[in-house]
Amino acid sequence: DAGVIQSPRHEVTEMGQEVTLRCKPISGHDYLFWYRQTMMRGLELLIYFNNNVPIDDSGMPEDRFSAKMPNASFSTLKIQPSEPRDSAVYFCASSLALSRLGGPNEKLFFGSGTQLSVL
Amino acid sequence: GQQVMQIPQYQHVQEGEDFTTYCNSSTTLSNIQWYKQRPGGHPVFLIQLVKSGEVKKQKRLTFQFGEAKKNSSLHITATQTTDVGTYFCAGPGGSYGQNFVFGPGTRLSVLP
Repeated sequence: DAGVIQSPRHEVTEMGQEVTLRCKPISGHDYLFWYRQTMMRGLELLIYFNNNVPIDDSGMPEDRFSAKMPNASFSTLKIQPSEPRDSAVYFCASSLALSRLGGPNEKLFFGSGTQLSVL
Repeated sequence: GQQVMQIPQYQHVQEGEDFTTYCNSSTTLSNIQWYKQRPGGHPVFLIQLVKSGEVKKQKRLTFQFGEAKKNSSLHITATQTTDVGTYFCAGPGGSYGQNFVFGPGTRLSVLP
């Protein structure tokens, strides 16, 4: 299996531009997560999907951020308009079905991330 | 909401020395996971602990889950330069424990 695939690996854009990050989860995984990593805030969960349906988007910073999962093999995270403070590494991760509270959670498989720089 | 803390934030050791990082949760955890992220890389799953007081070993790495299931530790014996990276603990979060709350991580540097 190729693992979780993210594109692009690096993105440099100017403030105000639209940015679209892409993710292909591991085939057969039911859950897809978008994380943002910065030195100041560490790994933050932005949103996650179960069977292509957004479950929790409370981590999405602002209305400028949106995420979609049109099918089981593709998800996008869009920032419009982008701002310098959005500069970070954005990770996509997927996992098999998770159990309810009290049971073991399946491990996360992370993609290589997208390094976003907004100038 | 649930918070997961880790100490220390940074650790510099001489190659061959031991290293320990500690993870503490504000709530009882059903399980805890550990991940390693190499510089410039992405987090990679190391292990999951489920039972109270559980101890698991992976070669030079020893993982423990506290009796109260609110803390955990990772101990590396005789560190090597290949151990360099950031070690994260993560616990279930959200209403149904279906997402993962990551600690801030401990960044390990190993001097040859």
